[in-house]
Amino acid sequence: KAGVTQTPRYLIKTRGQQVTLSCSPISGHRSVSWYQQTPGQGLQFLFEYFSETQRNKGNFPGRFSGRQFSNSRSEMNVSTLELGDSALYLCASSFSASGSNEQFFGPGTRLTVL
Amino acid sequence: AQSVSQHNHHVILSEAASLELGCNYSYGGTVNLFWYVQYPGQHLQLLLKYFSGDPLVKGIKGFEAEFIKSKFSFNLRKPSVQWSDTAEYFCAVSSHNTDKLIFGTGTRLQVFP
Repeated sequence: KAGVTQTPRYLIKTRGQQVTLSCSPISGHRSVSWYQQTPGQGLQFLFEYFSETQRNKGNFPGRFSGRQFSNSRSEMNVSTLELGDSALYLCASSFSASGSNEQFFGPGTRLTVL
Repeated sequence: AQSVSQHNHHVILSEAASLELGCNYSYGGTVNLFWYVQYPGQHLQLLLKYFSGDPLVKGIKGFEAEFIKSKFSFNLRKPSVQWSDTAEYFCAVSSHNTDKLIFGTGTRLQVFP
């Protein structure tokens, strides 16, 4: 069974640009969550999606947005990039957003903003 | 608001030493508790979880954790660490009916042979 896949794995952008990151959950999983990992702030929750609906959103500015498609694949978008957006962006999937199913994490997309 | 505190930021041990990593959470309702591990260059993976029932939970690779509700704690333990346990360990909490995880800041564990 294939794990959670994230594309691209590495990305370099400049300030002001926008970026789209993609996450493909494990087959059969309908819940996808996104996290930002930085050395200073640790792991911070961005979004939670289930059946194409955003169920929770973290404390991030409106430049951060996301969506989930009917096949459960998810994308997140960051517009008007800032230097502080440099981070590892992790995606996790689970069978249902009940909190009691194991979440499986992908390898992450490492975004560098110059 | 939910929060998670991990008191040990960096722990250095010799092989065969015992390990205990502290985790305290702040939340008034029913919570689900987790410990995740991130080995160098690898994905975050689940070590163990507590939802209900026996407060002493056993996970993979000989790890265990004890939920003490009165202390809002969920400390991770291992009787005898190995060099291969060198990794970063994260405590996390979620509330009922959501996958949203609130993570602690992590504890970097270094085990020397």
